[in-house]
Amino acid sequence: EVQLVESGGGLVKPGGSLRLSCAASGFTFSSYSMNWVRQAPGKGLEWVSSISSSSSYIYYADSVKGRFTISRDNAKNSLYLQMNSLRAEDTAVYYCAGGLTGEFYFDYWGQGTLVTVSS
Amino acid sequence: DIQMTQSPSSLSASVGDRVTITCRASQGISNYLAWYQQKPGKVPKLLIYAASTLQSGVPSRFSGSGSGTDFTLTISSLQPEDVATYYCQKYNSAPLTFGQGTKVEIK
Repeated sequence: EVQLVESGGGLVKPGGSLRLSCAASGFTFSSYSMNWVRQAPGKGLEWVSSISSSSSYIYYADSVKGRFTISRDNAKNSLYLQMNSLRAEDTAVYYCAGGLTGEFYFDYWGQGTLVTVSS
Repeated sequence: DIQMTQSPSSLSASVGDRVTITCRASQGISNYLAWYQQKPGKVPKLLIYAASTLQSGVPSRFSGSGSGTDFTLTISSLQPEDVATYYCQKYNSAPLTFGQGTKVEIK
């Protein structure tokens, strides 16, 4: 059974940093691209970042470019999102999402982790 | 960047009604279009990919169509369990933009 479990969310002050993790199981993690998608309270889905299976290709939404860094450790079956210079508008549930067909749509999602940026 | 625009933003229909949601891309994306369902308080769920291919396990009352810039998600007979917000998403290239969502309610 495919499982994606996020961790690392919490309350952080504006300008602060946070590192999210996503532990993957039930599939060959190293074979697939992985993604982060977020959802602000009461708002729609927003794609944040994607990383290819070997980390050769990395993409970011303009809203986070230069502040967030996506990475992965295939030996640990884990995906990460380092978030720096956090702003109030980064407050959201962050989902780890996988596209296990090789395409960049998301057929598996984690339960999400809430990040709140507030003083 | 390509923008994805859904319409309507919300709709209310009766059980058994045929419901149609549209998604328009500001530039052509071939058939690189997915649809998701998000029930209140739940994680998004993939319904359709490649514009018209039903994800395994999704009821056959859901269907998708379109190519290029104009796409449609249809629920042939609305059921109470279909109350949710529906999102389209382009995935031909980054950014992997979502539409703003369409909230479906029962009248």
